[in-house]
Amino acid sequence: GAGVSQSPSNKVTEKGKDVELRCDPISGHTALYWYRQSLGQGLEFLIYFQGNSAPDKSGLPSDRFSAERTGGSVSTLTIQRTQQEDSAVYLCASSLVGTSYTFGPGTRLTVL
Amino acid sequence: AQKVTQAQTEISVVEKEDVTLDCVYETRDTTYYLFWYKQPPSGELVFLIRRNSFDEQNEISGRYSWNFQKSTSSFNFTITASQVVDSAVYFCALKARTGANSKLTFGKGITLSVRP
Repeated sequence: GAGVSQSPSNKVTEKGKDVELRCDPISGHTALYWYRQSLGQGLEFLIYFQGNSAPDKSGLPSDRFSAERTGGSVSTLTIQRTQQEDSAVYLCASSLVGTSYTFGPGTRLTVL
Repeated sequence: AQKVTQAQTEISVVEKEDVTLDCVYETRDTTYYLFWYKQPPSGELVFLIRRNSFDEQNEISGRYSWNFQKSTSSFNFTITASQVVDSAVYFCALKARTGANSKLTFGKGITLSVRP
């Protein structure tokens, strides 16, 4: 597709359950980023992929959060044993090196 | 460490007023990029501009203009003759130009409301 796509667009889950969020970057974009936006807050960096490797995972808030990227394309962000404070919009972005980021529409995660 | 400060949290103007959104940044990098993004009520982040730290020329695009001043570490955004459709949250962001640490560091955003 022409833009970055994310699925699902909305996810409601119960505390303690695991969730997987998917990002399909723009074809050919080598860099992929995950950010989190909590209500009324700015964007918080989570992890950055260059190809399939993650040179910067410094933003992952706990070991319950993990992410992988396969084939230099699709990425999955997994949150294990979800907590209510994980409720947020999770945004994915992709770029070619040295160009601007294109963001996806986000996945709104609600943990009950 | 990198930091972006958007001291204004909410601004409300009447249509056709000019409005300036402030952005101040901190970085130890000698080369970097600065960005502005718009997030309308629909939620998707829309890229507005990227400025290279080497280029201090001001830029104008239609009703939008940007004033980059390295001496004061500021990258302010002005909307001339604001319109209701400009209502959104605006984020300023900073990125090191090179290196493995390629993340964007965002400010907390400014909520702009333009009233008819």
